[in-house]
Amino acid sequence: QQQVKQSPQSLIVQKGGISIINCAYENTAFDYFPWYQQFPGKGPALLIAIRPDVSEKKEGRFTISFNKSAKQFSLHIMDSQPGDSATYFCAAYTTDSWGKFQFGAGTQVVVTP
Amino acid sequence: GAVVSQHPSWVICKSGTSVKIECRSLDFQATTMFWYRQFPKQSLMLMATSNEGSKATYEQGVEKDKFLINHASLTLSTLTVTSAHPEDSSFYICSARARSTNEKLFFGSGTQLSVL
Repeated sequence: QQQVKQSPQSLIVQKGGISIINCAYENTAFDYFPWYQQFPGKGPALLIAIRPDVSEKKEGRFTISFNKSAKQFSLHIMDSQPGDSATYFCAAYTTDSWGKFQFGAGTQVVVTP
Repeated sequence: GAVVSQHPSWVICKSGTSVKIECRSLDFQATTMFWYRQFPKQSLMLMATSNEGSKATYEQGVEKDKFLINHASLTLSTLTVTSAHPEDSSFYICSARARSTNEKLFFGSGTQLSVL
């Protein structure tokens, strides 16, 4: 049973457009929500992360929006560029438990020129 | 940022042979390392968790005798695929977590294993 549900599975966006990826979780013990970016043939790299005490975090063109009551969080990629074409994974983690990261299924983003 | 080095990047082997994959944390001590398997266009599938100096904890359905994990030091973990078969062909990724930054997970660059 996947503890973090991610959508959409794939996304095509034009250069300059906004890419939006959504994730939902059930376990209210999760207190750390990172997003990872993975290029083909490479390992995932941490992109941006948020804790539930804030509703939004922005780093450059990447923004996480967090809705604690709805148990949902999303990644927005503003002004999408062809170099952003990659697979994006959301994840959730409970820092107190030193437990496992729970990953979403991934979203393949293709940014067309 | 923290660097996790994974070797080799790709390996081709004959069926029945064993393959060892190394994962090193270069600039931090990794108290916990995770090994994942990833099929094309799919998410990361956790295979096992290893803590330095103790036996690895395997996820359900992962054969511990086929996928041997050793975490002998705070900077090195190895995954050995024993008696590899074509169905073991996959992308294997390690990740490491430091005690000082337990919420951050750093990934290796992955190893593409092809078993002929």
